[in-house]
Amino acid sequence: EVQLLESGGGLVQPGGSLRLSCAASGFTFGNYAMGWVRQAPGEGLEWVSSISGSGAVTYYADSVRGRFTFSRDNSKNTLYLQMNSLRAEDTAVYFCVRRIAGASGAFDIWGQGTMVTVSS
Amino acid sequence: EIVLTQSPGTLSLSPGERATLSCRASQSVSSSSLGWYQQKVGQAPRLLIYGASSRATGIPDRFSGSGSGTDFTLIISRLEPEDFAVYYCQHYGSSSITFGQGTRLDIK
Repeated sequence: EVQLLESGGGLVQPGGSLRLSCAASGFTFGNYAMGWVRQAPGEGLEWVSSISGSGAVTYYADSVRGRFTFSRDNSKNTLYLQMNSLRAEDTAVYFCVRRIAGASGAFDIWGQGTMVTVSS
Repeated sequence: EIVLTQSPGTLSLSPGERATLSCRASQSVSSSSLGWYQQKVGQAPRLLIYGASSRATGIPDRFSGSGSGTDFTLIISRLEPEDFAVYYCQHYGSSSITFGQGTRLDIK
């Protein structure tokens, strides 16, 4: 079964750091671009970052560029999102996503999400 | 950055009726870069449509997508009870991705 499992969420103070992980299983991990999408409480979806299959290319939303770093370890089938200088507006459920194979950039597999709360 | 505007914000319909959801882009986009998602309360979103009109794996044929340029549509031909949820459109560009604000589909 194709699966993504996030971990690492929790409560952190403003200005603090947190690292999210996403463990993938059931598919050839290195063949797929991956991403993170977040959803603030009661709000819509916001794309955060994407990474190529090799990990050589990353893209970030303007709201997190310079503060978040997206990486992957293909030997461990795992993604990492290092979040620094966290702000209250980063409070959200963070979903790990798989980009569909082929030319389309849609996200066909989603994890269950991990909650990040930034508060003093 | 492409801005996606969905309408209506809320749509109230009854099971068996036809639902038409709209997504308008702030500038013309490639049809291959437009997708639709369904999200139920407490769940992760689910991909319904990619490339504006291709159904994702396992999606019933009552869901269909169409459109081009700046105007895209998701149609649910006959609503089932499990279809009442929030729907998002998405544009995936070469280096950024945006979502619409969502349309809530409520039971009338």
